[in-house]
Amino acid sequence: QLQLQESGPGLVKPSETLSLTCTVSGGSISSSSYYWGWIRQPPGKGLEWIGSIYYSGSTYYNPSLKSRVTISVDTSKNQFSLKLSSVTAADTAVYYCARLWPYSGYDADSYYFDYWGQGTLVTVSS
Amino acid sequence: QSVLTQPPSVSGAPGQRVTISCTGSSSNIGAGYDVHWYQQLPGTAPKLLIYGNSNRPSGVPDRFSGSKSGTSASLAITGLQAEDEADYYCQSYDSSLSVFGGGTKLTVL
Repeated sequence: QLQLQESGPGLVKPSETLSLTCTVSGGSISSSSYYWGWIRQPPGKGLEWIGSIYYSGSTYYNPSLKSRVTISVDTSKNQFSLKLSSVTAADTAVYYCARLWPYSGYDADSYYFDYWGQGTLVTVSS
Repeated sequence: QSVLTQPPSVSGAPGQRVTISCTGSSSNIGAGYDVHWYQQLPGTAPKLLIYGNSNRPSGVPDRFSGSKSGTSASLAITGLQAEDEADYYCQSYDSSLSVFGGGTKLTVL
């Protein structure tokens, strides 16, 4: 059974960089079939896709966060990571990592999130 | 606001049928991208409920169904149960990037 686990500091100071790692177990991150992604959820609010990465390092980012986000992958450790720079209180959220499974639709291809980590709360505060 | 629009809340009595809409535009659902749905119980991570507009993963009861037409999609829940009280999110793609709806809180009366 595939499992994902987020790890990293629960408290980050304003203007600093938020760093999280997602460790994948029960499967290889190097599969050619799917992507890996980060999603966040501010307290009491909805889900926001942050970005996704392929095992080769190819990335896609949410345009609203692109200037501050870097997602990387370490296949030797079966991990992928998120860095979000210049954080403010608005970046306080539960951060989830997830696997994206490909879906071939009639008109277009897409991905859905089939496995999720439990999430980790990151608070931005001095 | 979200690219995909969902009603903030819906409610229904046990045993009833409720629907949750997900309205997009010509650059996402209307462009042919399929819609996926997630259920988020309080204090837990989202769980995949419907993929590819209308397909249920193994273990999801057939009380849950989905459909898509034009620039919109819908999630229907029949035989409402207390355990269905949760937040529901649609997800699709817009210009090749993933997008979520704002979420709908389902209250079982």
